[in-house]
Amino acid sequence: GAVVSQHPSRVICKSGTSVKIECRSLDFQATTMFWYRQFPKKSLMLMATSNEGSKATYEQGVEKDKFLINHASLTLSTLTVTSAHPEDSSFYICSAATGPGLGNTIYFGEGSWLTVV
Amino acid sequence: DAKTTQPPSMDCAEGRAANLPCNHSTISGNEYVYWYRQIHSQGPQYIIHGLKNNETNEMASLIITEDRKSSTLILPHATLRDTAVYYCIVRVAASGSRLTFGEGTQLTVNP
Repeated sequence: GAVVSQHPSRVICKSGTSVKIECRSLDFQATTMFWYRQFPKKSLMLMATSNEGSKATYEQGVEKDKFLINHASLTLSTLTVTSAHPEDSSFYICSAATGPGLGNTIYFGEGSWLTVV
Repeated sequence: DAKTTQPPSMDCAEGRAANLPCNHSTISGNEYVYWYRQIHSQGPQYIIHGLKNNETNEMASLIITEDRKSSTLILPHATLRDTAVYYCIVRVAASGSRLTFGEGTQLTVNP
């Protein structure tokens, strides 16, 4: 079946540096992908919508200059956490739908653990 | 977004059926009910989705009431590996593929 893959699964970076997380749809094209973050024992919170060939759409309260999103192809979206701080440590998850209709399936990646030290 | 209500936690004996309820009384006619589960430290896993008819796949069955205001996810023979947080989500037409997650139900399957 359709698969969404993220890389890296775990990353540790120093405070003040930037880190990039990739999200790929492996056997389908996705004009739109979504980025979520999840804190321990909390539910997923949508951060932004990644649109192929255009700017990402950010949810209220999410800093677009801090969380840079690029959707350069129909199978790849990247999330770059810039000038990372310890409070950015979280589980980041992406998703993509196999099609635009409401009946199409939405798949999630395995998630990426970011630890900022 | 159409809000869903789920019990925060449930227990089930291994080998028995797990029936997870979800209320979605404000669902609109063209909105689908999706179920995902999340095992600790992993991304959500798709289970099943439906509009108004009951659905079954290799993982589970989805029973949607006739008025569509509630649904039940059934895991016919729960195993220890089914222990996870189960999320019932209404996919709203206006939001497209953006899903809003509630708190879900923590299902614990006991030996």
